[in-house]
Amino acid sequence: QVTLKESGPALVKRTQTLTLTCIFSGFSLTTPGMRVSWIRQPPGKALEWLARIDWEDDKFYSTSLKTRLTVSKDTSKNQVFLTMTNMDPEDTATYYCARDGRGEIYFDYWGQGTQVTVSS
Amino acid sequence: SYELTQPPSVSVSPGQTARITCSGEALPRQYSHWYQQKPGQAPVLVIYKDTERPSGIPERFTGSSSGTTVTLTISGVQTEDEADYYCQSGDTSGIYDVVFGGGTKLTVL
Repeated sequence: QVTLKESGPALVKRTQTLTLTCIFSGFSLTTPGMRVSWIRQPPGKALEWLARIDWEDDKFYSTSLKTRLTVSKDTSKNQVFLTMTNMDPEDTATYYCARDGRGEIYFDYWGQGTQVTVSS
Repeated sequence: SYELTQPPSVSVSPGQTARITCSGEALPRQYSHWYQQKPGQAPVLVIYKDTERPSGIPERFTGSSSGTTVTLTISGVQTEDEADYYCQSGDTSGIYDVVFGGGTKLTVL
């Protein structure tokens, strides 16, 4: 059974750095082809892909946010991390981690999401 | 990066067929995938690789592709299908970003 769960601060201040953790089970990020992405959704708005990390530790970032994002993993603990610097109120959103690992990039399992509010 | 364009809203009566379109210049070269999202919940994959349906997804959900437009069709719509639907495409090479459409609110009247 595949599960993912995000955790992190519910409230951060403008200019601070956000660090989120995704704890997963039911698969391993050492398995060839496996990937985990971070995706966010501002209130009432669409989904936005942020970053992904794969089994070879390759990392990919949203073109518009890549200067602010860092994704990393701890395979021994089945955890993936996302760091976003210089937070702004426009970064207020629900942040999801999701698995993809079926060749093409699509997300078959999602975490429940963690709500992050950025105060000014 | 490129965009995926969806209509903001689609309305149907129960039992009718709902069609939600998604347009993008890269769609002839890349697979599309569809997600259903109900209020307060995480998205759920309902169609992958244009036409494939994950296990547990009702047969009334089908996907199709033609040129730069892909379509999610829900036949015999039920009230429980009322939700937001997002298309998504991705490039495994990493040259292009993973992209989501703007979402379509399906209202079952």
